[in-house]
Amino acid sequence: DQQVKQNSPSLSVQEGRISILNCDYTNSMFDYFLWYKKYPAEGPTFLISISSIKDKNEDGRFTVFLNKSAKHLSLHIVPSQPGDSAVYFCAVGRSGGGADGLTFGKGTHLIIQP
Amino acid sequence: DTAVSQTPKYLVTQMGNDKSIKCEQNLGHDTMYWYKQDSKKFLKIMFSYNNKELIINETVPNRFSPKSPDKAHLNLHINSLELGDSAVYFCASSQRAEQYFGPGTRLTVT
Repeated sequence: DQQVKQNSPSLSVQEGRISILNCDYTNSMFDYFLWYKKYPAEGPTFLISISSIKDKNEDGRFTVFLNKSAKHLSLHIVPSQPGDSAVYFCAVGRSGGGADGLTFGKGTHLIIQP
Repeated sequence: DTAVSQTPKYLVTQMGNDKSIKCEQNLGHDTMYWYKQDSKKFLKIMFSYNNKELIINETVPNRFSPKSPDKAHLNLHINSLELGDSAVYFCASSQRAEQYFGPGTRLTVT
């Protein structure tokens, strides 16, 4: 019973273009949404987050969009760079943080083609 | 100057052995966690500790036990290791919702 789904196991994008990664969640109790980036043999690195009171958060080349009614979020990377090639995990949780763990999707492997 | 560190990075051991994985964070966070990434690549929460109290214990066998000597450390002890325990284990810490992860420990049980 996956509460967080990333339906694209992999995505190939040309350098300089926009990368769009998608994530769907099922539980309306989640009110905080995060994206993590992971290189092989390393731990996930926090990238960007958004709370349920917003529908967009931007940080440099990275923008996260949240559609609460559709229980859908997406990560836009523009322009895509070779160093962006990694596995991207969507994670959901509750804004109180504290002791609650995050629930992760299975990840999307983003490949940036030169 | 690593924020969340784990040792060892790789651990190979035989079934039935007892082993420990250490985790330390220098971020001053109040909460620490252990996650398991299985062969299907899902990252799943195992435990969290907040101010030295166990807050979450998911459906994890009692062969696994977290030990926190202080706020900066959360070690994972595993007794009577089984083949199915082979996975990558990640430690994390947080002050709010964002969690910061260690580099992972790849455990292989033979």
